[in-house]
Amino acid sequence: NAGVTQTPKFQVLKTGQSMTLQCAQDMNHEYMSWYRQDPGMGLRLIHYSVGAGITDQGEVPNGYNVSRSTTEDFPLRLLSAAPSQTSVYFCASSWGGRGELFFGEGSRLTVL
Amino acid sequence: TQLLEQSPQFLSIQEGENLTVYCNSSSVFSSLQWYRQEPGEGPVLLVTVVTGGEVKKLKRLTFQFGDARKDSSLHITAAQTGDTGLYLCAGGAGGTSYGKLTFGQGTILTVHP
Repeated sequence: NAGVTQTPKFQVLKTGQSMTLQCAQDMNHEYMSWYRQDPGMGLRLIHYSVGAGITDQGEVPNGYNVSRSTTEDFPLRLLSAAPSQTSVYFCASSWGGRGELFFGEGSRLTVL
Repeated sequence: TQLLEQSPQFLSIQEGENLTVYCNSSSVFSSLQWYRQEPGEGPVLLVTVVTGGEVKKLKRLTFQFGDARKDSSLHITAAQTGDTGLYLCAGGAGGTSYGKLTFGQGTILTVHP
């Protein structure tokens, strides 16, 4: 079982470029979410999904788009990268209502 | 906006010592989870507590949920170098969290041999 798989693990972008962080899970979890982790700030929720075709915003959604066309995949799109989006991004999935999360290994993004 | 304050932010101790990490909020949470994260990896769930006053033990780790479900603590007895890592508390609001959790800032624990 692969669990939650994120790609790429590392990425460097220039300001204004766009890119997509990929996330896939093979546990048939309904709930998926994206968090960003910055030093001293814990993890902050960007977007989440409660099932295929249903997404909603989290705490820090600006500058990011998501879609969920299948149960397995939940890509995160950066529309026009800014230095403030330099961070480590984690995708997570959950099976149930209490939201116990299974995380991917993270994608480290640097925006110059 | 719900906030979780974790303390201390940094903890540096010798192997064999005991330690406690605190997680406090002014908000009520339906569940409180603790995660451990190692460098270059994602957080891994340690425990979930859901009932006010609940105590759970995981080998040398003891987790407690406050009676009012606004705070939690993690106590490690006789710390080992393998306990080194980032510890995160996370709270879920409402009956169904849908993977939407509020995280504390984290506690970086370093256990020296």
